[in-house]
Amino acid sequence: AQKITQTQPGMFVQEKEAVTLDCTYDTSDQSYGLFWYKQPSSGEMIFLIYQGSYDEQNATEGRYSLNFQKARKSANLVISASQLGDSAMYFCAMREGLPTGANNLFFGTGTRLTVIP
Amino acid sequence: DGGITQSPKYLFRKEGQNVTLSCEQNLNHDAMYWYRQDPGQGLRLIYYSQIVNDFQKGDIAEGYSVSREKKESFPLTVTSAQKNPTAFYLCASSGVGQPQHFGDGTRLSIL
Repeated sequence: AQKITQTQPGMFVQEKEAVTLDCTYDTSDQSYGLFWYKQPSSGEMIFLIYQGSYDEQNATEGRYSLNFQKARKSANLVISASQLGDSAMYFCAMREGLPTGANNLFFGTGTRLTVIP
Repeated sequence: DGGITQSPKYLFRKEGQNVTLSCEQNLNHDAMYWYRQDPGQGLRLIYYSQIVNDFQKGDIAEGYSVSREKKESFPLTVTSAQKNPTAFYLCASSGVGQPQHFGDGTRLSIL
């Protein structure tokens, strides 16, 4: 079974509107972490936001927020006030277990977001 | 500036040839990682290292080798045993409990 599932291969959003990118995960660990990365066409992976399994509040970083629904095993990324520069691939990833020296991540297949002027 | 440097940006391999991808970091991170990305796919872990002189296989280690002689450096060798090496390779590093930070990647193609 896939540990991370992103069901939206592509999404379009109008500039200045909000968009939600879906992510569901599968783990039997009680302790885990969820990450979102942005990959522009240039290729580098840019860390956006992190949510720990024990965090009770949804994580927020500027225009990014993570809608964490533990019972549903979902960790959706919400981007508010979309900008043209937000056009990129977005990857959800998970670390199983407690954070240690090396935190191996399982990645989803990504969602390509296109912001329309 | 602190960061991760991967070189070269583009690399071409002939049949039967080994090639080495460089990854250097000045973030003072103990852990380093190599990932492979194929078109339309997420990242898959090749090898990772928690500390100097120690490294572990990831999900797709066959046909690859690494070394970790210095904290700052984690080179990846794509050997001739890797039958389908054409991909985008990303190196990352992390501190304890911290998100992974990535380099800009190396795109490897077969001639």
